[in-house]
Amino acid sequence: GESVGLHLPTLSVQEGDNSIINCAYSNSASDYFIWYKQESGKGPQFIIDIRSNMDKRQGQRVTVLLNKTVKHLSLQIAATQPGDSAVYFCAESQPGGGNKLTFGTGTQLKVEL
Amino acid sequence: ETGVTQTPRHLVMGMTNKKSLKCEQHLGHNAMYWYKQSAKKPLELMFVYNFKEQTENNSVPSRFSPECPNSSHLFLHLHTLQPEDSALYLCASSLGTSGEETQYFGPGTRLLVL
Repeated sequence: GESVGLHLPTLSVQEGDNSIINCAYSNSASDYFIWYKQESGKGPQFIIDIRSNMDKRQGQRVTVLLNKTVKHLSLQIAATQPGDSAVYFCAESQPGGGNKLTFGTGTQLKVEL
Repeated sequence: ETGVTQTPRHLVMGMTNKKSLKCEQHLGHNAMYWYKQSAKKPLELMFVYNFKEQTENNSVPSRFSPECPNSSHLFLHLHTLQPEDSALYLCASSLGTSGEETQYFGPGTRLLVL
């Protein structure tokens, strides 16, 4: 069945370094992808999204890359800060899917001072 | 804040209790969602409402009963729950359900069933 998964459950980076969080998806029909950040005690917070007609999209300190050939998605965070410590989820949806999202299990990002 | 509020934030209930979770969105959205988040598992979609009509029930047991009186409010009525129902219950809203519409989440209700 369809699945969205993350390669690493935990990622530790030094403050100031760049972080890369990866995500694999299996449904080639997926055409919309979202990254969420979830801090302890809070709900998921939208970070950035990308549609399948794009391969890169940039936000403030974040970049999402989409490789449809290998069904891979990544989130790059520049100059990682302590406030970036959280669990990051990727999610995907298909056209005509009624906006239903399939989420990955999440990657815990830990920023070390 | 995302514009989606949930109450209560924490709830402890026995298996014979009846309780309700409340969600309210202040974003002018038309679609609302209930998700279950268990430890080390992906978020599981439970229900979707669009313009107060239920459009998705993801094979959720009948001990969970949703109610959507209007586009701004969503409830989840709980009765005779099991300990394995202990989880974080998240509400979300979006402008619609036509696809590619960002879902905004509330802070969740942490439920413990004893």
